[in-house]
Amino acid sequence: EVQLQQSGAELVKPGASVKLSCKTSGYTFSNYYMSWLKQMPGQNIEWIGNIYGGNGGTGYNQKFKGKATLTVDKSSSTAYMDLSSLTSEDSAVYFCARRAGRTYYFDYWGQGVMVTVSS
Amino acid sequence: DVVLTQSPATLSVTPGERISLSCRASESVDTYLHWYQQKPNESPRLLIKYASQSISGIPSRFSGSGSGTDFTLSINGVELEDLSIYYCQQGNSLPTFGAGTKLELK
Repeated sequence: EVQLQQSGAELVKPGASVKLSCKTSGYTFSNYYMSWLKQMPGQNIEWIGNIYGGNGGTGYNQKFKGKATLTVDKSSSTAYMDLSSLTSEDSAVYFCARRAGRTYYFDYWGQGVMVTVSS
Repeated sequence: DVVLTQSPATLSVTPGERISLSCRASESVDTYLHWYQQKPNESPRLLIKYASQSISGIPSRFSGSGSGTDFTLSINGVELEDLSIYYCQQGNSLPTFGAGTKLELK
């Protein structure tokens, strides 16, 4: 069974950084891209970027370049996303989601993690 | 970016009725259009891929149609458990999502 388990909720101060994790199981991590997505309360879903589990190759939504950095640890089948210079606009739920094959749709999702930026 | 416009924003439904949700793209996305269901405090769940292809484990009352710029998600016999927000997403270029249609009880 494919599972994506995300780390717990984060409360961070403005200007700080946070690193989110997404631990996977049930499939060959190195054969798939992992995407990260953002959903602000009551709002639309935005694609942040993705990373290939095999070689760490990345692609980003231009809007999130400089904000998000994606990495992987193949040994633990875990994907990470660093968010830097946090502001209130970064307060949101962040999901990891497996990109299905070569095309952009997402067949398995993590449970989401709430990041709150507040002093 | 491809903009996806979903309508209506909210739809009031009666259990058992057949309903259709619309998703219109700002440019052609061929059939690279996918549908998701999201319940409160849950992650989205893939319902339909490539406009009309079914997903294993998804009830057969859900179906999709369309190509190019106009797409429809249909639910044939709405059930109470279907009260959720439904999003379309295009994958023809870097992915974008529609703003969603919320199904509520009439």
